[in-house]
Amino acid sequence: KQEVTQIPAALSVPEGENLVLNCSFTDSAIYNLQWFRQDPGKGLTSLLLIQSSQREQTSGRLNASLDKSSGRSTLYIAASQPGDSATYLCAVKVLTGGGNKLTFGTGTQLKVEL
Amino acid sequence: EPEVTQTPSHQVTQMGQEVILRCVPISNHLYFYWYRQILGQKVEFLVSFYNNEISEKSEIFDDQFSVERPDGSNFTLKIRSTKLEDSAMYFCASSESQDPGYNEQFFGPGTRLTVL
Repeated sequence: KQEVTQIPAALSVPEGENLVLNCSFTDSAIYNLQWFRQDPGKGLTSLLLIQSSQREQTSGRLNASLDKSSGRSTLYIAASQPGDSATYLCAVKVLTGGGNKLTFGTGTQLKVEL
Repeated sequence: EPEVTQTPSHQVTQMGQEVILRCVPISNHLYFYWYRQILGQKVEFLVSFYNNEISEKSEIFDDQFSVERPDGSNFTLKIRSTKLEDSAMYFCASSESQDPGYNEQFFGPGTRLTVL
């Protein structure tokens, strides 16, 4: 059974700092990995999707990497801003099942302070 | 930009009552999903739906739950007899691609279900 873990659970940084969020998964047989942002009481916003054949994806100040063999992904946020404050979730789609099921991590709650 | 919409945003019901949560997926998407998130816990997969049938469901999705695409735009989740433990945020999602490697899922804002 796929287990997804995110470290740290919470992070507080000053504005302007570069930061790294970590995601690890137990079963490396995945199709893809998706990073989401969740604001309090709100839905999930898709940030990046990395296919299993890719090593990284970039969108603006965000860069996500994937090391499938070691079961790890990182989300790098450059020059953090207070508006980046949210919970960041990673989710993996496994090869079995056939229904595109995503298995989510525990999330990292990020606070960027002025 | 197209988005997934859900109604209502908040539903309060009495234990044992039936509820229907509604979703309008992105119009050209082919795959539809329901997930839920109990307060303070992980987002959990419930069911996926493709070509008018369930393609995968979790152990949570028992006989109390059903899904339907009653017309060309809506996708619904019905809970037949709600329990206290059904209280959660329910998210609808949709995705476009048939390529399993590239199947980015887009989520709606959620319906908060409170069972009293």
